[in-house]
Amino acid sequence: KQEVTQIPAALSVPEGENLVLNCSFTDSAIYNLQWFRQDPGKGLTSLLLIQSSQREQTSGRLNASLDKSSGRSTLYIAASQPGDSATYLCAVNTGTASKLTFGTGTRLQVTL
Amino acid sequence: NAGVTQTPKFRVLKTGQSMTLLCAQDMNHEYMYWYRQDPGMGLRLIHYSVGEGTTAKGEVPDGYNVSRLKKQNFLLGLESAAPSQTSVYFCASVSGGGGGYGYTFGSGTRLTVV
Repeated sequence: KQEVTQIPAALSVPEGENLVLNCSFTDSAIYNLQWFRQDPGKGLTSLLLIQSSQREQTSGRLNASLDKSSGRSTLYIAASQPGDSATYLCAVNTGTASKLTFGTGTRLQVTL
Repeated sequence: NAGVTQTPKFRVLKTGQSMTLLCAQDMNHEYMYWYRQDPGMGLRLIHYSVGEGTTAKGEVPDGYNVSRLKKQNFLLGLESAAPSQTSVYFCASVSGGGGGYGYTFGSGTRLTVV
């Protein structure tokens, strides 16, 4: 059974800092990996999707990497802003019906 | 606006009552899903559908039933609600065969069973 772990569970940083969120998964037979953002009381918004054959994806200040063989992904956020405060969720897709297995998330707070 | 719409947004049920959560998408997506989110446990898949008229069990299906009579709608039913079903429920959809690109989530239904 695929298990996804995210560390740390919570993180507080001052504005302007670069930061890294970590995601690990137990079964390397994945189709792709996605990072989502969830604001309090809201649904999930897709940030980045990395295919199993890719090493990284970038969107603006966000960069996600994937090391499938070691079962790890990182989400790098550059020059953090208060608007980045949210919970970030990692999810792996094993390919069957595009079902996702989620981690428990990292709650990020960026302070002024 | 295109997307996934869930109704209702909030509901309080008494133990033993029944209810149906409705999910509607207007993106012509083939695949639809119901997840529940509980503190400290992340999102877990309840049931899913890969097309009109099909349904399948996910990780935590007990106590729930689903139907997909129309491609754009996916219904989640609780026949006899229990306090353990207190949770936030999310519906999601994605194009079939797209490898997960364009995964779209609804804004959630917060259900409390007392």
